Order: sequence, then C-alpha cells, then structure tokens
Amino acid sequence: SQQGEEDPQALSIQEGENATMNCSYKTSINNLQWYRQNSGRGLVHLILIRSNEREKHSGRLRVTLDTSKKSSSLLITASRAADTASYFCAPTGSGGSNYKLTFGKGTLLTVNP
Amino acid sequence: EAQVTQNPRYLITVTGKKLTVTCSQNMNHEYMSWYRQDPGLGLRQIYYSMNVEVTDKGDVPEGYKVSRKEKRNFPLILESPSPNQTSLYFCASAWTGSNQPQHFGDGTRLSIL
Repeated sequence: SQQGEEDPQALSIQEGENATMNCSYKTSINNLQWYRQNSGRGLVHLILIRSNEREKHSGRLRVTLDTSKKSSSLLITASRAADTASYFCAPTGSGGSNYKLTFGKGTLLTVNP
Repeated sequence: EAQVTQNPRYLITVTGKKLTVTCSQNMNHEYMSWYRQDPGLGLRQIYYSMNVEVTDKGDVPEGYKVSRKEKRNFPLILESPSPNQTSLYFCASAWTGSNQPQHFGDGTRLSIL
C-alpha cells in the first residue's frame, strides 16, 4: 500500500474563508480518497476521485487530481466551525492493494468562529 | 442505519491479560479491516479480511490475531497485550471492487498498563 502525505500539517482560518490542503503520493493510483476525522472519532469518507478524473465536486468540497504530478488538493469553500477536523488522503493502487488504505498524518484544520 | 460498531469504546487493562475488541457491521460488506492510530504515526493497518474465513496481514500485525467466522463480525484479539499496544483502534468495512469507500467505527481507546 502507499501512503499519501498531506500538507500543510496544520491550517488555521476564519469562518467563511476557503481552506486548501494538498496530498502527494509516489506511485500510480486507481483512485484517491479523502477522509475527515473529528477529534477522537472514526474517519468519515468525503469524496473519491478516480485516476481518469481531474476534478470532482461534492457540496462545498472540490477535489482536483493531477496524476502527472502525483498530487491532489481538497478545497473547502465557505468554511464553518464544524469543519474543524483532521483531513486525510488515501491513494489506492490497482488490484489487491486497492483495499490496503494507508493514511498519513493528515492536515489539522481549525476554523475559528 | 448503516454502521460499524466497535466494543468496548474504552478499556484500561494490564499487561498479559487477553482481550478482544469486537467489530460488527450491518451493511453486508465483504471487506473488513483493523487500524491503529498513534500520535505522529498516522493510521496503520493491522489486519484485513476480504471475506469469511479469508484474512491477511496489514502493515503492523505483530501481537494481534483476527478471525472472520461470519460476514458481519471481525474481532481483534490481543492474546498477551503489552504497553506498546496502547493506542486508538479503528475497524472499517467496505464493498469489494474498485473505488469503494471504507466505513469506519468510532474507535476503541486501549490503555495497557
């Protein structure tokens, strides 16, 4: 399995601002998933982007994928205090490695009211 | 409601006393997995199962056992717990096949004294 590396490690913004976090990975992927974790809770799946997609939207979330640079970004628009959480990316390879998600240290997003 | 349920949520115990953390899902998912989360190390996969009676090691399997006798249950067994297994543990499940998100339980916080 391969691990994504999220950047920055921590991000603090004001409510209403946009938040952008990035993910880099090393080898070819089948898809890349983003998850959110509220403090001490389980991970919640946010969005999945396939390797043949370049951009995907879900509500206030926008994910881009650049396979040539082996990177992805997650944009949260009009942030709210409830968006405060850690965000993880999980690049998944093809075949058997599709299930062995490996998570990095994540980006800790703090949205100040 | 679709969910992954872990028990117990919190446990403090002593070195060497066998313990089992249960995990149950009600979505009829074939795939189930256990992760541990430690500060500075992110989430790491312990074991996973592609279906009943099919289990395989993840990245950190030492000191753990699992079984998959029924589709819905995937218990994590610590035969002789040690302090380095103090951690936050998560169970997850998913459909098999490409591009399937994982559903996580709320976690079990284990402290081994």
